[in-house]
Amino acid sequence: GQQVMQIPQYQHVQEGEDFTTYCNSSTTLSNIQWYKQRPGGHPVFLIQLVKSGEVKKQKRLTFQFGEAKKNSSLHITATQTTDVGTYFCAVNTNAGKSTFGDGTTLTVKP
Amino acid sequence: NAGVTQTPKFQVLKTGQSMTLQCAQDMNHEYMSWYRQDPGMGLRLIHYSVGAGITDQGEVPNGYNVSRSTTEDFPLRLLSAAPSQTSVYFCASSNGNGYTFGSGTRLTVV
Repeated sequence: GQQVMQIPQYQHVQEGEDFTTYCNSSTTLSNIQWYKQRPGGHPVFLIQLVKSGEVKKQKRLTFQFGEAKKNSSLHITATQTTDVGTYFCAVNTNAGKSTFGDGTTLTVKP
Repeated sequence: NAGVTQTPKFQVLKTGQSMTLQCAQDMNHEYMSWYRQDPGMGLRLIHYSVGAGITDQGEVPNGYNVSRSTTEDFPLRLLSAAPSQTSVYFCASSNGNGYTFGSGTRLTVV
């Protein structure tokens, strides 16, 4: 089935540094979603990207969908301790069926 | 508006026992899914549904059954619990624009 590779698996940053996680697919995607899961919590939907080359921003978070719709990135500017957690990308393989990447776990040192 | 409600939050089973994890959503979402998450791992799809009366298998369906008799409810049945089914189980629902997750059921099989 359709899979997405997410890198890096772990990222440790100093508070104030930037952070980026990448999601890559070998096939063209119809859309891609991003989620955040705090330690001990449940995944929370952040955003969905649909259009080729789309860029969306949510405060310090910037989401991009590649021109070929095969990759996506999530960039956090000037990380804060509240950004700690695991960030997942997810793709719809069929209607109602979403497959998740393995996630990138972000730790932030104050 | 409660979102997605999962019960129980915690459960300990003995090997060979059966049980049902409950999931209910009040958002009139068409799509519902069950995922399992093992420590330090991503989310793996067990079963999903695109509407009442329609279910299909995900990546790891063995040992689990589902049914969707109403739009609101999507219970997950463990037929004969095994230690390999020790995990955190998340139910999620969607209208096609991102999934809303429940808070999870932490299941231990001894």
